[in-house]
Amino acid sequence: KAGVTQTPRYLIKTRGQQVTLSCSPISGHRSVSWYQQTPGQGLQFLFEYFSETQRNKGNFPGRFSGRQFSNSRSEMNVSTLELGDSALYLCASRSGTTLTEKLFFGSGTQLSVL
Amino acid sequence: KQEVTQIPAALSVPEGENLVLNCSFTDSAIYNLQWFRQDPGKGLTSLLLIQSSQREQTSGRLNASLDKSSGRSTLYIAASQPGDSATYLCAVSDSWGKLQFGAGTQVVVTP
Repeated sequence: KAGVTQTPRYLIKTRGQQVTLSCSPISGHRSVSWYQQTPGQGLQFLFEYFSETQRNKGNFPGRFSGRQFSNSRSEMNVSTLELGDSALYLCASRSGTTLTEKLFFGSGTQLSVL
Repeated sequence: KQEVTQIPAALSVPEGENLVLNCSFTDSAIYNLQWFRQDPGKGLTSLLLIQSSQREQTSGRLNASLDKSSGRSTLYIAASQPGDSATYLCAVSDSWGKLQFGAGTQVVVTP
């Protein structure tokens, strides 16, 4: 069974640009969560999608948005990039039908904003 | 607001010693607690998940305990190996499944 796949692995952007990151969950998983990891703030929850609906949201500005498609693949978009958006962005999947299950993480997308 | 703390921030032990990693949280109204491992530049691997009603979980050389009332969890790794070198993170889940992570403990096991 293939794991969680995130693309691209690395991205370099400049301030003011926008970026789209992609996440393909494990087959059969309908829940996809996104996390931002930085050396200063650690791991912070961005949002969770389940069956194409945002089910939960963290404390990030509206520049951070996401969506989920009918095949459960998810995309995260960051508009008007700032230097502080440089981070490792991780997505995680689970079936989503119960909270008693482990999360499976992808390897992440390393975003550098110059 | 839930706060998760992991002490120590870094730990170095010789191979064969047992590892003890600590996690504390301020709000005992958690749904479950998970321990993860992260290798440099990589994603997280879930090690153990303890439901709020459970006291401990075991998997191989790993054992995690949970004392919800005192807001503490401990991860024990028996007979450490160099391959156990990684950052270990704990995370507590609320009833919506949202995880709040600690900053992690960086572990180095020396041969």
